[in-house]
Amino acid sequence: KAGVTQTPRYLIKTRGQQVTLSCSPISGHRSVSWYQQTPGQGLQFLFEYFSETQRNKGNFPGRFSGRQFSNSRSEMNVSTLELGDSALYLCASSPAPGAEAFFGQGTRLTVV
Amino acid sequence: DQQVKQNSPSLSVQEGRISILNCDYTNSMFDYFLWYKKYPAEGPTFLISISSIKDKNEDGRFTVFLNKSAKHLSLHIVPSQPGDSAVYFCAASGGSNNDMRFGAGTRLTVKP
Repeated sequence: KAGVTQTPRYLIKTRGQQVTLSCSPISGHRSVSWYQQTPGQGLQFLFEYFSETQRNKGNFPGRFSGRQFSNSRSEMNVSTLELGDSALYLCASSPAPGAEAFFGQGTRLTVV
Repeated sequence: DQQVKQNSPSLSVQEGRISILNCDYTNSMFDYFLWYKKYPAEGPTFLISISSIKDKNEDGRFTVFLNKSAKHLSLHIVPSQPGDSAVYFCAASGGSNNDMRFGAGTRLTVKP
């Protein structure tokens, strides 16, 4: 069974640009969550999708958005990038909300 | 809001000794607790979990203890091995949204 796949693994963008990150969950998993990891801040919850619906959103500005497709694949988008958006973005899939989550390797975003 | 807190950013122990990682939570609706382990350049991987109906769960060298009245859980690793050196995240889920929330992580270093 393939694990959670995130693409791309690494990304360098300049301030003001926008970026889209992709996540393919484990087959059969319908819940996808996104987290931002920065040094000292741990895993900050961005949002969770289940059956194409956003169930909950963390305390991030509206520049951060996401969506989930009918095949459970998910994308997150960050517009008007700021230097502080540089982080590791992790996607996790689970069979249902609140269940054990399986993480991808993450996308390392660097904003210059 | 930090609903799950790991107050120790780092912990160093000698090989063969016990490692104790602590976690506190504020939301009394949480009823499922998990520990994840993260190596550099990899996504977190599930380690062990405990449901609120139990106060202890053991899996080999890893034991998680839950004190519901104190809203506290801990992970014990006995004996600690150098390969256990990683960042450990505590997570909790439950409540009406059944969201999963993570702590900031504790970096464990096991010295040979």
